[in-house]
Amino acid sequence: GENVEQHPSTLSVQEGDSAVIKCTYSDSASNYFPWYKQELGKRPQLIIDIRSNVGEKKDQRIAVTLNKTAKHFSLHITETQPEDSAVYFCAAHLYNFNKFYFGSGTKLNVKP
Amino acid sequence: EAQVTQNPRYLITVTGKKLTVTCSQNMNHEYMSWYRQDPGLGLRQIYYSMNVEVTDKGDVPEGYKVSRKEKRNFPLILESPSPNQTSLYFCATRAGTGLDYGYTFGSGTRLTVV
Repeated sequence: GENVEQHPSTLSVQEGDSAVIKCTYSDSASNYFPWYKQELGKRPQLIIDIRSNVGEKKDQRIAVTLNKTAKHFSLHITETQPEDSAVYFCAAHLYNFNKFYFGSGTKLNVKP
Repeated sequence: EAQVTQNPRYLITVTGKKLTVTCSQNMNHEYMSWYRQDPGLGLRQIYYSMNVEVTDKGDVPEGYKVSRKEKRNFPLILESPSPNQTSLYFCATRAGTGLDYGYTFGSGTRLTVV
């Protein structure tokens, strides 16, 4: 199977600063890496994703980078705002099992 | 509007009393899955289904059953709930079984078993 580790478990930043959340995975057969944002009391929602044949993807203030050799991928949020406060989950899709494996989540707190 | 609808949103029940959590989607998605979310453990897959009449166990299937008689519905059944099944449950669907299809999650069901 796959093992996805996510760090840090909590992250507190000042509004306007950048935030970085990192995930590592163990199986080189993983080929797709989505990130989800879960606001308090709500469902997880897909915010950005990256395929294994791409090294970086950006969407406005958020970006994801992937290092296949090192088997890690990261979420970058720039110019953070209070509404970015949420729990963020990374996931890895293991192709040969057709399954997603989730990290344990990072609680991001953006202080105004 | 594309939706994954779960019911109920909240449920308190007693040990041993059978219950069903329903999940319905209107996106014609083939792949449906159930997850439970517990503090510090993230999202763990209970069961999944790749299509009608095709279901398989996830990582934590013990104590749960599912069925997929129609494409749009994927109910989660707890035949004899126990307190360790107290959790937040999410139904999730995907457009296909190939690459780069992220999940659409339902709104969640918070279950308490006393």
